Amino acid sequence: DTEVTQTPKHLVMGMTNKKSLKCEQHMGHRAMYWYKQKAKKPPELMFVYSYEKLSINESVPSRFSPECPNSSLLNLHLHALQPEDSALYLCASSGRGLAGVIWNTGELFFGEGSRLTVL
Amino acid sequence: GQQVMQIPQYQHVQEGEDFTTYCNSSTTLSNIQWYKQRPGGHPVFLIQLVKSGEVKKQKRLTFQFGEAKKNSSLHITATQTTDVGTYFCAGRSGAAGNKLTFGGGTRVLVKP
Repeated sequence: DTEVTQTPKHLVMGMTNKKSLKCEQHMGHRAMYWYKQKAKKPPELMFVYSYEKLSINESVPSRFSPECPNSSLLNLHLHALQPEDSALYLCASSGRGLAGVIWNTGELFFGEGSRLTVL
Repeated sequence: GQQVMQIPQYQHVQEGEDFTTYCNSSTTLSNIQWYKQRPGGHPVFLIQLVKSGEVKKQKRLTFQFGEAKKNSSLHITATQTTDVGTYFCAGRSGAAGNKLTFGGGTRVLVKP
């Protein structure tokens, strides 16, 4: 069982829809991440939040909009997606977030993912 | 930018045999992590190596960090069907802003 919970597990949406992916962790972790994973590929970093502030945006298109309402929650808002955005979206958290220029060096705890299909 | 390469991409192993997967970074790493992802599952952390030349064991799994901290290996002995999955290494480098960069993974298939 994972301690990072993602909903929904599966999502099918049209290119004009607006939907959101949600992620929750109660391990007191201060860094949270969104990754995108295509089939047979490694996870690809999208966004990092540290202490509820956006620390890294890996040049992700604006049709993906992250939000961190509090230290336990992370959302990914989706709008006007393309079929090539179909993938497994993984949320992860880790123990210590960005503090000054010192990065967390600990392990990532991944959720089970939200499998997104864009029609 | 930083690149982390893994070989082989695929590994077909007879049950009971040993195998090794290798990870090479284009830059010196501050640490390296290994994850396992079962088919249809999510990545699960296995181990982190920090020191040059470090060797750690977890039952039948042996992890090694190179002396130059640019490469790592995972050796599995007496492979079992439960070892099926994709093994990813992921390295952190100061040159890459300490971001975690995943290798391409080694997909392991076990023949009973």
